[in-house]
Amino acid sequence: QLVLTQSPSASASLGASVKLTCTLSSGHSSYAIAWHQQQPEKGPRYLMKLNSDGSHTKGDGIPDRFSGSSSGAERYLTISSLQSEDEADYYCQTWDTGLDWVFGGGTKLTVL
Amino acid sequence: EVQLVESGGGLVQPGGSLRLSCAASGFTFSSYWMSWVRQAPGKGLEWVANTRPDGSDKYYVDSVKGRFTMSRDNAKNSLYLQMNSLRAEDTAMYYCARVQQWELPDYWGQGTLVTVSS
Repeated sequence: QLVLTQSPSASASLGASVKLTCTLSSGHSSYAIAWHQQQPEKGPRYLMKLNSDGSHTKGDGIPDRFSGSSSGAERYLTISSLQSEDEADYYCQTWDTGLDWVFGGGTKLTVL
Repeated sequence: EVQLVESGGGLVQPGGSLRLSCAASGFTFSSYWMSWVRQAPGKGLEWVANTRPDGSDKYYVDSVKGRFTMSRDNAKNSLYLQMNSLRAEDTAMYYCARVQQWELPDYWGQGTLVTVSS
């Protein structure tokens, strides 16, 4: 069964960097994922598509501060030079061969 | 500029029906897969349904199969979600999204709130 696992919370200081993790379930380590950001009281925003080799394609207008990388079944979202507006929920998402979608449970990022 | 504007949400009793709409603009609607994704209060995102550009095929999460029907009108640049036999657990913000190929949502609307309660 295809499952995405995310830590419920993360925190980092203003101006610092943070690395969020999304883990694919066993047998699915070759899957690409997408990262989405949801600021408080807003609809989600697409950040990037991240492939298993670490290559990624960002959405329109996504700053260079956002980058992605991969290692095995882990998919990472790194945000550098943290700003207050980066405080949000971050979701990973992937798609199965049956065309179903799966979302991770989300990570709530607090900027200190 | 891509815009997706949902409407049609509201309060409905258990067992009732509701029809959501999504008005799309800023892109060639008929060329894209489209999706509905929902978010229960205080919870994460849950995929609900996807449809092909021509509306020929739809795909649904198991929990809504047989109760929800997704459709689209490419002439009106509009997406719909007919929700029947609504349950308390269907209470959520419902988001319309444009889909890149069939893989991922690359633009999202602001959502419309559906509350199922007596």
